Amino acid sequence: AQSVTQLDSQVPVFEEAPVELRCNYSSSVSVYLFWYVQYPNQGLQLLLKYLSGSTLVKGINGFEAEFNKSQTSFHLRKPSVHISDTAEYFCAVILNSGYSTLTFGKGTMLLVSP
Amino acid sequence: ETGVTQSPTHLIKTRGQQVTLRCSSQSGHNTVSWYQQALGQGPQFIFQYYREEENGRGNFPPRFSGLQFPNYSSELNVNALELDDSALYLCASSLTSGGVYNEQFFGPGTRLTVL
Repeated sequence: AQSVTQLDSQVPVFEEAPVELRCNYSSSVSVYLFWYVQYPNQGLQLLLKYLSGSTLVKGINGFEAEFNKSQTSFHLRKPSVHISDTAEYFCAVILNSGYSTLTFGKGTMLLVSP
Repeated sequence: ETGVTQSPTHLIKTRGQQVTLRCSSQSGHNTVSWYQQALGQGPQFIFQYYREEENGRGNFPPRFSGLQFPNYSSELNVNALELDDSALYLCASSLTSGGVYNEQFFGPGTRLTVL
């Protein structure tokens, strides 16, 4: 079975600073990888996904992530954060063959302060 | 295009009661998945419905059950509520069309509190 580890439960950062949210996964077979964002009292919104091809994936709101197969990581980055980026961020995986469902990490709360 | 909607937004129940949560899938989608998100945790897969049949189930007891209707809307039913059932319940719809990956679109969730 696959699993996802998000190493930081909370990441405080100042506005306009860069940020990296870490995600590592474990799976015996190849996976697809995702980052979702959840704003307070809302559902999940897809930020970006890696299915195949270039390992650097660009998403919405200026976020990007890099798939590193050897390190089984999919870290999320943004070069300059805004107050409005304050939210919970979830990394998720799904197997890329056969029947599979999304497996989520526990989430990282990004707190952006002025 | 209408997105995924869920009702009610909030719900308070007592232990032992039963609850029904509802989800309307996005237009054109034929698959609905349900997730439980406990406080401070990531969403956990409960089950998935495709063409009115259960198409996969996570590690949840049988008192969690569901339905999908011909218009692809869905219900999640939980019997004999326990305190640990308090959580945000998320519904996600997708279009199953033969590929391995079918993007899921999430609703805003129903917040269930069990007292």
